[in-house]
Amino acid sequence: DGGITQSPKYLFRKEGQNVTLSCEQNLNHDAMYWYRQDPGQGLRLIYYSQIVNDFQKGDIAEGYSVSREKKESFPLTVTSAQKNPTAFYLCASSTGTLNSNQPQHFGDGTRLSIL
Amino acid sequence: GIQVEQSPPDLILQEGANSTLRCNFSDSVNNLQWFHQNPWGQLINLFYIPSGTKQNGRLSATTVATERYSLLYISSSQTTDSGVYFCAVASSNTGKLIFGQGTTLQVKP
Repeated sequence: DGGITQSPKYLFRKEGQNVTLSCEQNLNHDAMYWYRQDPGQGLRLIYYSQIVNDFQKGDIAEGYSVSREKKESFPLTVTSAQKNPTAFYLCASSTGTLNSNQPQHFGDGTRLSIL
Repeated sequence: GIQVEQSPPDLILQEGANSTLRCNFSDSVNNLQWFHQNPWGQLINLFYIPSGTKQNGRLSATTVATERYSLLYISSSQTTDSGVYFCAVASSNTGKLIFGQGTTLQVKP
């Protein structure tokens, strides 16, 4: 079945450690996104990518990095510079570019906690 | 940037009851989506509805773009409808989805 796969479902990070969250889609979507959700809050955009080898910062990019080497993959690295990384991270994708008015579809998320 | 307000913030219903959730936004939009986040965190697409009316089973949605609001109707609610309902909009300027704070719905048996 087509969809968006995020892994792992749960992830624990030690102080000073970088961790990478995986997001893979087989929907042939051009655009991919990473969001952060804190308890009781809506989602906030971290990074997005409209085509391979190109990505832009969202509203809360500090302490995060991404890459888009393949159309189907958009991994997110939470670096040690992110001082409050404990959150629920959701990946999404959509056809077309950001302004193409297409709905976004979401993966099941990764819960990141600090040890 | 565009502001999104959802109401009510919390809602408790008895199974079988109907409800209306509201989403107000501060600027013209070219993308509006309603999502249901279940207790496991999964975000389920309900409607892509920048304007007009759509129905899917017991759920329907209406967006009046000129008046900058959208409504989500849930009829004959079931316990499985419990969770958080999010409205998200994108303006033509940025194309980025901006989420509201959500409405937390609890349906009691």
